[in-house]
This record gives sequence, structure tokens and C-alpha cells, in this order.
Amino acid sequence: DVVMTQSPLSLPVTLGQPASISCRSSQSLVYSDGNTYLNWFQQRPGQSPRRLIYKVSNRDSGVPDRFSGSGSGTDFTLKISRVEAEDVGVYYCMQGTHWPPVTFGQGTKVEIK
Amino acid sequence: EVQLVESGGGLVKPGGSLRLSCAASGFTFSNAWMSWVRQAPGKGLEWLGHIKSKTDGGTTDCAAPVKGRFTISRDDSKNTLYLQMNSLKTEDTAVYYCATGMAGRWGQGTLVTVSS
Repeated sequence: DVVMTQSPLSLPVTLGQPASISCRSSQSLVYSDGNTYLNWFQQRPGQSPRRLIYKVSNRDSGVPDRFSGSGSGTDFTLKISRVEAEDVGVYYCMQGTHWPPVTFGQGTKVEIK
Repeated sequence: EVQLVESGGGLVKPGGSLRLSCAASGFTFSNAWMSWVRQAPGKGLEWLGHIKSKTDGGTTDCAAPVKGRFTISRDDSKNTLYLQMNSLKTEDTAVYYCATGMAGRWGQGTLVTVSS
């Protein structure tokens, strides 16, 4: 199984400041079709997860442009350019290249300092 | 608008069974691969499995911890996804979510508690 490792696991941030979460996979996530199936999810307190980014860097509909995804191969990053109060929650990366199983990172808890 | 509504959760004793449903609307359900994901209390997300669309074979893949105990099925005439859970264990206690494809859209989840 592909292991997804996120860091940090806890991220205190100041409102208006940038934030960055790293996600590393135990093997390359490039699929035979040339795509890289790495997604990012946000789970606000008490809510269901919501996909923010798909295939490394594509924002889902309605996702603010302060969220961006980047990376390739085994190293990926989710960046929030200026953190807002509504960004508090847990963020997960997920790989959909090598399945079964689809695997998630452990989650990174973003909180306001 | 895509909507996924899970139901069927509740309290069940160890060794018991439960069937979860996920009613879908707002998209062409029959064309969609569908997934189940769970989240134990205070824990992260765990993929349970998915079912392909009939045109892609309609087959299922399940995660090792639930293989042989959980079965995923679909009824395209009812736009509904199912998760049949047998031989439940206390460690199956979690919120169970259905999701479209590779987790593009999620339902609100349904809580399953396995306890004596």
C-alpha cells in the first residue's frame, strides 16, 4: 500500500499569514495515463470532508484562490496564501493512483494562534 | 447540485449486521464510480472501497480490514449506493461517508456504533 505522510501534523497560524502543508508518498503517484492522482481535502470542525484540490493543482469549484496545490512524483504541497478564520480544520492529502487501496495522509490540524 | 444522503446508521452489537444506504441526486448516478470512506471518532479518514459504474464493469474493490465482511452494491434504478456490513466489530465504530468517484463530493455521513 502507498503510505502518505503529512507534515506538520499541527499547524498554528496567524490570521492573514501564509500556511503550507507537505504530503509525501512512499512511491511515485504518476499514473500510466500521465496524470498524478493526488487530492487535498478540508474538514472543518463538525463537517464532512470537502475536496479542495484534485490532480495536484486543480481547484474544485467554489474553492477560494488562496488555496493552491503543487508538487510532483512523491512530494506535494498545499498552500494557503493568507489564512482566514474559516480555514480552521483538518487537511488531508489522498492518493488515487495506486488502488486498491486509496490511501489518505494522517491529517494536519490548522488552528489560529 | 450534487447531493448524497447517507442513512441506516445506529447502534449494533458486536457480530451484528447493518446496511447503509446513500441516496444520490444532482448527477448521472449510473455513470459514476462511488466510494465509501469512514472516520473513527477523533481519527483520520479510511477508504473502505468503491464500486465502478456498470459500463466500467460494475465491480468492487474493498480495503483489507473489511474485505469479506463488507459488501458494496448499487441500484442505479434508485440512484442508491449500499454498504452491507456483517460481523461487525467494536473497531468498526465510525462515521460512514459515501462519496462520488475518487471522493469528489461527500455526504453528511451516518454514525455506526458497535457496542454491547
